[in-house]
Amino acid sequence: LAKTTQPISMDSYEGQEVNITCSHNNIATNDYITWYQQFPSQGPRFIIQGYKTKVTNEVASLFIPADRKSSTLSLPRVSLSDTAVYYCLADSSASKIIFGSGTRLSIRP
Amino acid sequence: SAVISQKPSRDICQRGTSLTIQCQVDSQVTMMFWYRQQPGQSLTLIATANQGSEATYESGFVIDKFPISRPNLTFSTLTVSNMSPEDSSIYLCSVTRDRDKQAFFGQGTRLTVV
Repeated sequence: LAKTTQPISMDSYEGQEVNITCSHNNIATNDYITWYQQFPSQGPRFIIQGYKTKVTNEVASLFIPADRKSSTLSLPRVSLSDTAVYYCLADSSASKIIFGSGTRLSIRP
Repeated sequence: SAVISQKPSRDICQRGTSLTIQCQVDSQVTMMFWYRQQPGQSLTLIATANQGSEATYESGFVIDKFPISRPNLTFSTLTVSNMSPEDSSIYLCSVTRDRDKQAFFGQGTRLTVV
């Protein structure tokens, strides 16, 4: 389990692309990078996971440079419904998750 | 995905009493966990619910305060004992399966102690 550092909060506007960067300097060889999203009054839900380079799904893209010491979650054309807390994790286990502080993303009209 | 049902969804309790929260999953899962999330804060892991044996507690959490049961691969309970206002929080159940690379979370139980 590598310690992760991400901004406490971010603001953006509808229609913009939002990039949230996470630092994980001590990431281990067998660690994966995983992002979860949590809406108010709900449990977190998995968004995306990657090991290196780029991963894309219907929700987001995840960019991981070659040294893997950081990663960037990219949300294309955000809407008000993307307002949530986003958690970055760097761990080899998908089970026992230790959450960091997360990034509170606020989208404005 | 795994569908998790947590009951109750919310409750208001008197101090000194206990509340048992149930977590039911629609499929057999490998691991079950209990988290606490205080208002405006991140999630804190309370314990791992082990089937057929005592739960494994994280630092700062003890069995006398948070007894946990896991009688089978789809069900677990968390009891918050001898409650005080400081126990007011959201309690969440989480599960994983060997075939998934992600964890699944229940909607949470919002507990208010008065």
